[in-house]
Amino acid sequence: GAVVSQHPSRVICKSGTSVKIECRSLDFQATTMFWYRQFPKQSLMLMATSNEGSKATYEQGVEKDKFLINHASLTLSTLTVTSAHPEDSSFYICSASHEGQSYEQYFGPGTRLTVT
Amino acid sequence: AQSVTQLGSHVSVSEGALVLLRCNYSSSVPPYLFWYVQYPNQGLQLLLKYTSAATLVKGINGFEAEFKKSETSFHLTKPSAHMSDAAEYFCAVSGAGTYKYIFGTGTRLKVLA
Repeated sequence: GAVVSQHPSRVICKSGTSVKIECRSLDFQATTMFWYRQFPKQSLMLMATSNEGSKATYEQGVEKDKFLINHASLTLSTLTVTSAHPEDSSFYICSASHEGQSYEQYFGPGTRLTVT
Repeated sequence: AQSVTQLGSHVSVSEGALVLLRCNYSSSVPPYLFWYVQYPNQGLQLLLKYTSAATLVKGINGFEAEFKKSETSFHLTKPSAHMSDAAEYFCAVSGAGTYKYIFGTGTRLKVLA
């Protein structure tokens, strides 16, 4: 149980275009979803926290207009990187928690974004 | 406030030797503690977790960790390293009131043949 999927697993886009990454909880209702960014050989950096039906809460230093997060249902959250640039290339990982065990997050497999 | 310190960004052990990865935490509330493993280009896989029940926690793949409140530690051990254990390991803490994870900086485990 508690499976989280991400799509796509890998995406290459041109500079200036936007790309959307989906995060789905497959077998539970995710009251809260989290988006992380991970640079090579580094730890995960929390970008934002989103609750279903509410605006996302962004961490300090994360541009909310560049990284649009939508949590429209209890099983789906999306991260849209708008006007992507090469410096946005990274590994993006989502996670989800459910109301019964809010202290634990279940992680998706990650999405490798490369901006050319 | 919460924080996590993982001592040793790189650890090398011989195959069959003891694995010890260190994690110290600070937390103003009772902590929940986690160890995750990450293989290249993959997400995080939960190895084990401490949720205020037994202080000695057994996880998958032969790993275990002991919660020591007096030492604010949650070190990860495995009696005998296997080549397949070579990966990045992350310790994380969360706590009541804020369910954000605070991650350690990670420890890369190398297993020598």
